[in-house]
Amino acid sequence: SQTIHQWPATLVQPVGSPLSLECTVEGTSNPNLYWYRQAAGRGLQLLFYSVGIGQISSEVPQNLSASRPQDRQFILSSKKLLLSDSGFYLCAWSPLRENYGYTFGSGTRLTVV
Amino acid sequence: KQEVTQIPAALSVPEGENLVLNCSFTDSAIYNLQWFRQDPGKGLTSLLLIQSSQREQTSGRLNASLDKSSGRSTLYIAASQPGDSATYLCAVRGFNNAGNMLTFGGGTRLMVKP
Repeated sequence: SQTIHQWPATLVQPVGSPLSLECTVEGTSNPNLYWYRQAAGRGLQLLFYSVGIGQISSEVPQNLSASRPQDRQFILSSKKLLLSDSGFYLCAWSPLRENYGYTFGSGTRLTVV
Repeated sequence: KQEVTQIPAALSVPEGENLVLNCSFTDSAIYNLQWFRQDPGKGLTSLLLIQSSQREQTSGRLNASLDKSSGRSTLYIAASQPGDSATYLCAVRGFNNAGNMLTFGGGTRLMVKP
């Protein structure tokens, strides 16, 4: 069966520090991968998606970047965090075929202080 | 651009009640619609996935319907329990956007009182 792992679960980082959040999927190959952010009291915002290794699309301009160095690994990064980067970050995957649903990871609570 | 709306934003009911959560979307060009549950501080758990060709899906006490032509879906929860308290999110997967991505509603926060 397929599983998705996301870590760390919580993170407190000072303003200006770097960020690296990792997401891996097991039990499938060539998945579509997604990073979402959920700010306090707000809905889910799609940040990045990837349909293959090295293929990254960004939905909104921001202080963050994403990379997909391996088929089932998706990394969210920042060189210098801002206070506004605080939020709940969720990784998700779906099969290539559009008639399948999404599966989400357990999320990372990021607080920038 | 697809827009998804969920009504009500919050709902409080006594235990045992049957309840309906509503979801509407503006673009009927969708592959499917998915209902999720989110507990505070947790990720999203998929509850039901309805393909565009389907009218409803059932899982236990949950029943989700889809009327694609009118852009509506409902999630029916029978005999609600305190453990059902959570935020419920609907999301549509459309083929009029790049990457066929999910578009989420704002969610309905449900509280079931013992």
